[in-house]
Formats: sequence, C-alpha cells, structure tokens
Amino acid sequence: EADIYQTPRYLVIGTGKKITLECSQTMGHDKMYWYQQDPGMELHLIHYSYGVNSTEKGDLSSESTVSRIRTEHFPLTLESARPSHTSQYLCASSRDSGAYEQYFGPGTRLTVT
Amino acid sequence: AQRVTQPEKLLSVFKGAPVELKCNYSYSGSPELFWYVQYSRQRLQLLLRHISRESIKGFTADLNKGETSFHLKKPFAQEEDSAMYYCAPHDSGGGADGLTFGKGTHLIIQP
Repeated sequence: EADIYQTPRYLVIGTGKKITLECSQTMGHDKMYWYQQDPGMELHLIHYSYGVNSTEKGDLSSESTVSRIRTEHFPLTLESARPSHTSQYLCASSRDSGAYEQYFGPGTRLTVT
Repeated sequence: AQRVTQPEKLLSVFKGAPVELKCNYSYSGSPELFWYVQYSRQRLQLLLRHISRESIKGFTADLNKGETSFHLKKPFAQEEDSAMYYCAPHDSGGGADGLTFGKGTHLIIQP
C-alpha cells in the first residue's frame, strides 16, 4: 500500500548523541520534505529534496542534515542532539514541483534530555 | 516577506453553528492556497485547495485576492470537525519550494 513511513515514532535521547530520523515513502513521489513542529504551533520547513542527490535548506535554519541517495528514502540526521532540538519532525512527499498535495508521515516526536 | 496569518489560535463553537476560520496571506505573486487539517492522533492531511473550488466535508474556502484572504467556512459545524486547521499557501515563485503553514487554529465543536 502506498504510504509514507517515519521511524521511530518517539525518541528520548541524551544530549550529545547522534540521531537519525528515518523517512521512507512508497508513493512514487520525487519531492520530499522535512518540517519541524512544536506542539500546537506552526510547521516550519527545514529541508526539501527534488529527487535523488538533491537536498535544499528550508525556511527555518536547522542544525540537522539530510541525504537523498534513494528516491524513496530521506533520512534526517542530528550529529549532536541538544535540548533545543526537542520537537516533532514531520516528513512529507509530493508528486512534483508546484501546487500538488503533500502527503505527511505520522511524525517523530523527539525529546532530548 | 511572505506570510500567512491565522488570527485565531482557538475557536470554540456549538454543534450546528456556522464556522469560519480566518486566513490572510501576504505574498508578492499569486500563490496556490490550501487548507490542511490534523484530527486528534491522526496525520496532517489536505482538506481542500482553492483551485479545485470544491466542498470537502461541508467546508468551502473562497480566495479573495482583493482582501488577500482564504477563509474556511462551514454552515453547520459537527463534533467530528474538532481539529487543528492550517492555512498553507504555496508560492512557486521563489524561496523554498514548499508550503508555508500558518500557526493553525484549534477548532473545538461543543455538543
């Protein structure tokens, strides 16, 4: 079934640890995105990708990095987690550029202690 | 700067009453506009887009270019409409090629 997956769903980790949030989609979409959202607050675009080997920074500056080695996979990495990184991270994908619907994953809620 | 404003953080109405969630945008070009909804413990999902001129779950939204608004309306609210609603313009004219989300309005429908 076509879907977009995120793992882990919840992560509690100590300061200084390296973490990777996984995102994969079986939608056949070229474009993928990462948004950051604090509870009840707006979403901020932090990274996006047009396709394999394409990564761009979003509107909100983030210390995280992303990679796009395979079309269906768009992981986000924090080299050294800090409490300020505590947030929800949402991955999304869409057909192509332009005003196409974005499909969102279930999100990863990250807590850095 | 491109901006979208949802002035109401929380909106509470009684079941059967009309609902209007406000959205104003400030863009230099002609953005495409969307409303996304997030029900409790569910994913963020598209509710409707202005180019479709459709009614979804009884909701409609009219783009008013003169007032730069895209308010979401429903004549008779239902309890299952309780959710977070986000107005989201997409501007392909420049900047990051993604959606810009408003801060969202938490809609509570009281029985």
